Amino acid sequence: GQQLNQSPQSMFIQEGEDVSMNCTSSSIFNTWLWYKQDPGEGPVLLIALYKAGELTSNGRLTAQFGITRKDSFLNISASIPSDVGIYFCAGLWGDSGGGADGLTFGKGTHLIIQP
Amino acid sequence: DGGITQSPKYLFRKEGQNVTLSCEQNLNHDAMYWYRQDPGQGLRLIYYSQIVNDFQKGDIAEGYSVSREKKESFPLTVTSAQKNPTAFYLCASSLQGGYQPQHFGDGTRLSIL
Repeated sequence: GQQLNQSPQSMFIQEGEDVSMNCTSSSIFNTWLWYKQDPGEGPVLLIALYKAGELTSNGRLTAQFGITRKDSFLNISASIPSDVGIYFCAGLWGDSGGGADGLTFGKGTHLIIQP
Repeated sequence: DGGITQSPKYLFRKEGQNVTLSCEQNLNHDAMYWYRQDPGQGLRLIYYSQIVNDFQKGDIAEGYSVSREKKESFPLTVTSAQKNPTAFYLCASSLQGGYQPQHFGDGTRLSIL
């Protein structure tokens, strides 16, 4: 099946620093999604990208859909303590859209903010 | 408020016992999904349903069963055939048509006694 390589696996940063993480694949995706998961909670959708080259912001978060449709990145500017958590990328590739068989998740980037 | 409700939050299973995890949504979403999450792993798809009375196996369906009798509900049964059931289970739902993102519940943590 489809596979997403998400990196880095974990990040240790200082409060106020900018953060960058990315997902790559050998396959093409039609939609890229970025989720954040807090401990013991379900993932929460941060940003959805629907078009190659699309750059979308949500507050301090910015994500881009790679022009080749095989990658995406997520940037967080001026990190704050509540940014701590696990960030997942997910790609959707079905031709007809929708359907769980088209959604693939990365293994997550664990963001840790050092005091 | 609209959302996805999973219950219970924590569940304990004895050896040889079947247990059922509940998932209810009031978002009027057509599609519902069950994922399993293990430490350091991404989400792995167990089962999904795109319409009432229909469901499909995901990547790791062995030892699990589901039903979809109502649009709002998609319960997951972890059977005794699942030899390593300890995990965090997440339910999600989405609209059908187009490339609709999935929205998640808060999960159920299942442990073996």
